[in-house]
Amino acid sequence: AQSVAQPEDQVNVAEGNPLTVKCTYSVSGNPYLFWYVQYPNRGLQFLLKYITGDNLVKGSYGFEAEFNKSQTSFHLKKPSALVSDSALYFCAVRDLNRDDKIIFGKGTRLHILP
Amino acid sequence: GAGVSQSPSNKVTEKGKDVELRCDPISGHTALYWYRQSLGQGLEFLIYFQGNSAPDKSGLPSDRFSAERTGGSVSTLTIQRTQQEDSAVYLCASSFRRDTGELFFGEGSRLTVL
Repeated sequence: AQSVAQPEDQVNVAEGNPLTVKCTYSVSGNPYLFWYVQYPNRGLQFLLKYITGDNLVKGSYGFEAEFNKSQTSFHLKKPSALVSDSALYFCAVRDLNRDDKIIFGKGTRLHILP
Repeated sequence: GAGVSQSPSNKVTEKGKDVELRCDPISGHTALYWYRQSLGQGLEFLIYFQGNSAPDKSGLPSDRFSAERTGGSVSTLTIQRTQQEDSAVYLCASSFRRDTGELFFGEGSRLTVL
């Protein structure tokens, strides 16, 4: 069965510094990977996805993620963090062997310090 | 409407009462999910509907919880004999299976059990 792990409950980054939110996955076959964000008191929003092609995927709000097949990782990155990036971030994988069910990680809370 | 619609947005009920939460997915979306989120924590998977397949009910926490999806569209999550620990935000999401699986989330139904 496919699964996804976010090893950090919380990440603190100073404003202007680069940020990374980690995600690893285990799959059978080629992975379909996603990042979602939940801003305070808001619903979840899609950020970006990897299906195939270039390993560096660009998404909304200046975020990008790098697919690394050998390390089975899909870390979310941004070159320069903003205070407004503070939110809860979820990594997800599509389980092609379970009727295309989307499985979420437990989430990582990102705090950007002014 | 253009997005996933959930109702009610807020529900306060007394312990022991039954509640129904409704989700209107985006038209044409074959996949529908229910999740539960407590106090801005992670997403707890509840149930997954995919087209005409038997629903994946593996996340329902007890037999007090049930869900149905009529006509492949609207879904209702029912909680019988509510308990205080049922208090949470219940999120619905939908997607069109024959694409890359991006989920569209509703704003959620906040349930408070007194």
